[in-house]
Amino acid sequence: DQQVKQNSPSLSVQEGRISILNCDYTNSMFDYFLWYKKYPAEGPTFLISISSIKDKNEDGRFTVFLNKSAKHLSLHIVPSQPGDSAVYFCAAVGAAGNKLTFGGGTRVLVKP
Amino acid sequence: GAGVSQSPRYKVAKRGQDVALRCDPISGHVSLFWYQQALGQGPEFLTYFQNEAQLDKSGLPSDRFFAERPEGSVSTLKIQRTQQEDSAVYLCASSLAVRGGGPRIRGQETQYFGPGTRLLVL
Repeated sequence: DQQVKQNSPSLSVQEGRISILNCDYTNSMFDYFLWYKKYPAEGPTFLISISSIKDKNEDGRFTVFLNKSAKHLSLHIVPSQPGDSAVYFCAAVGAAGNKLTFGGGTRVLVKP
Repeated sequence: GAGVSQSPRYKVAKRGQDVALRCDPISGHVSLFWYQQALGQGPEFLTYFQNEAQLDKSGLPSDRFFAERPEGSVSTLKIQRTQQEDSAVYLCASSLAVRGGGPRIRGQETQYFGPGTRLLVL
């Protein structure tokens, strides 16, 4: 059973517009969430995180929103740039653990 | 470089061969993790070290998989008698975090990943 799901395998957006990536989780013990970005042949790169005590965290063009009651988080990228084209993974950590549980990823293509 | 490094970057093995994958974490990082990423999927947890202690190996798929971190820095993931289903990218990550002994500092738990080793078993 997948505890973290990214239901959209791909997303195409025009340069300058907003990219919205979604992630759902089922395990109520998760209390810390992260987004990673991955280019081909490279390891995942940390983007932004949020603790379950918050509902929003912002860092430059990237904002993560957390809706605990819905067990849903989203990543907003605005404005989108061609260099943002990559695969994005959401990941979650439980209060009692350290390992990351990843979603399956969403491939984003930003068109010039 | 100050990041996590892994070697080799690519490995082709014949079925039945043993392989050893190396990870050099960020200097000073206490925690080290191994993940396996199959094609088109997200990484999946294999095992976790705090310094030299292997605290969680629940994700290792079989007893053919073995990991060690004898001096609390460099780690090696060994796969014995490789099978075709072992073909994947093996990712190593490290973080500052130390589990227990005080409040968790969330920023220190961020895991930083190496480039991975792509293993192909023929």
